[in-house]
Amino acid sequence: AQTVTQSQPEMSVQEAETVTLSCTYDTSENNYYLFWYKQPPSRQMILVIRQEAYKQQNATENRFSVNFQKAAKSFSLKISDSQLGDTAMYFCAFMKPSTASKLTFGTGTRLQVTL
Amino acid sequence: GAVVSQHPSWVICKSGTSVKIECRSLDFQATTMFWYRQFPKQSLMLMATSNEGSKATYEQGVEKDKFLINHASLTLSTLTVTSAHPEDSSFYICSAPSLAGGNTGELFFGEGSRLTVL
Repeated sequence: AQTVTQSQPEMSVQEAETVTLSCTYDTSENNYYLFWYKQPPSRQMILVIRQEAYKQQNATENRFSVNFQKAAKSFSLKISDSQLGDTAMYFCAFMKPSTASKLTFGTGTRLQVTL
Repeated sequence: GAVVSQHPSWVICKSGTSVKIECRSLDFQATTMFWYRQFPKQSLMLMATSNEGSKATYEQGVEKDKFLINHASLTLSTLTVTSAHPEDSSFYICSAPSLAGGNTGELFFGEGSRLTVL
């Protein structure tokens, strides 16, 4: 079974600064997908960024980028130029392609962006 | 992006009663929907996979007679918590896979339903 570990329960960053959220996972699979989802307070969870394991290039989406280290089974999320609207719970998630969008989530990191 | 809506957002019920939560895909058809349970400050735990026109697939440890799932149409899945007890109090979230096709893992989530059982 796959496990996803987020070792930072809470983090804080000042507006306009950069913050990195950590995620490690354990799997025996060679091909899989990794995700970061964002759950703002009292709002729906949304996809932030996705990475296919067979791609060496790190995924980027505007201010969001990942550092994917397959050998180390590490998948960190970097948020640049943090904004107040980035305040949310962030969940790292893992998926095997054969499991029809069934995700395994980490425990989450609560990010607070401050003025 | 696609929209998934849950109803109700909040529900308070007495112990022993049953509560139904609806999950609708508003602008797309979803043959599969997922139901999660989220405890405070914890992760999402997959409870079951709802399949349109067939029985739901439950995760290990989830009581299928306790958490009844029905996926009667391509836009509606329901979760009924039967004979609810205080320990069933939780945040329940549904989701449906992306329209992109293939097994991309991108999910659209509902707003969640907070159940409090007194």
